[in-house]
Amino acid sequence: AQSVAQPEDQVNVAEGNPLTVKCTYSVSGNPYLFWYVQYPNRGLQFLLKYITGDNLVKGSYGFEAEFNKSQTSFHLKKPSALVSDSALYFCAVRALNSGNTPLVFGKGTRLSVIP
Amino acid sequence: DAGVIQSPRHEVTEMGQEVTLRCKPISGHNSLFWYRQTMMRGLELLIYFNNNVPIDDSGMPEDRFSAKMPNASFSTLKIQPSEPRDSAVYFCASSQTAGSPLHFGNGTRLTVT
Repeated sequence: AQSVAQPEDQVNVAEGNPLTVKCTYSVSGNPYLFWYVQYPNRGLQFLLKYITGDNLVKGSYGFEAEFNKSQTSFHLKKPSALVSDSALYFCAVRALNSGNTPLVFGKGTRLSVIP
Repeated sequence: DAGVIQSPRHEVTEMGQEVTLRCKPISGHNSLFWYRQTMMRGLELLIYFNNNVPIDDSGMPEDRFSAKMPNASFSTLKIQPSEPRDSAVYFCASSQTAGSPLHFGNGTRLTVT
């Protein structure tokens, strides 16, 4: 079975500081990994994905994520946080050989960037 | 590309009434997913379709919920009769292939009084 854990319900960071939102996953075989962001009263928006290749993936709005197979992690990072980054962030996984099956989402981490 | 379109954006209804939520996926996407989001339970998958065929409806809470996809460009989620505990934001999402991202609509906020 596939699963995703986001161990932090809430992350607070000062504007301009680096941010990390943690994600670990469990899947049979190789994973597709995704990060999504949700702003108030909006649907989830795709940020970035990892399928194969370079372990460091760059995405929208200056975000990046690092795939670590040995630690089964896919942490989201940004070198310098903006107040506008405050939102709900979801990590998601799907097994590479599972066809177009539903993504399994984590419970989400609320990021607050403090001015 | 207009993205995934959901209607209505907001729905307020009384307990016992029928509610129909609508979704138009992105053209060319082969899979469609219905999710429900609440503070208590987070994001829950209700049902999904591949090529208009329902594949897994195990997430549908009970028989009061039903979903259809009569063609590649339209899907409905119906609740009959509605109950206050159905109050949530319902999202529709579509995707093209297993490796492509899910695209979400902006959701329907349902309030059942």
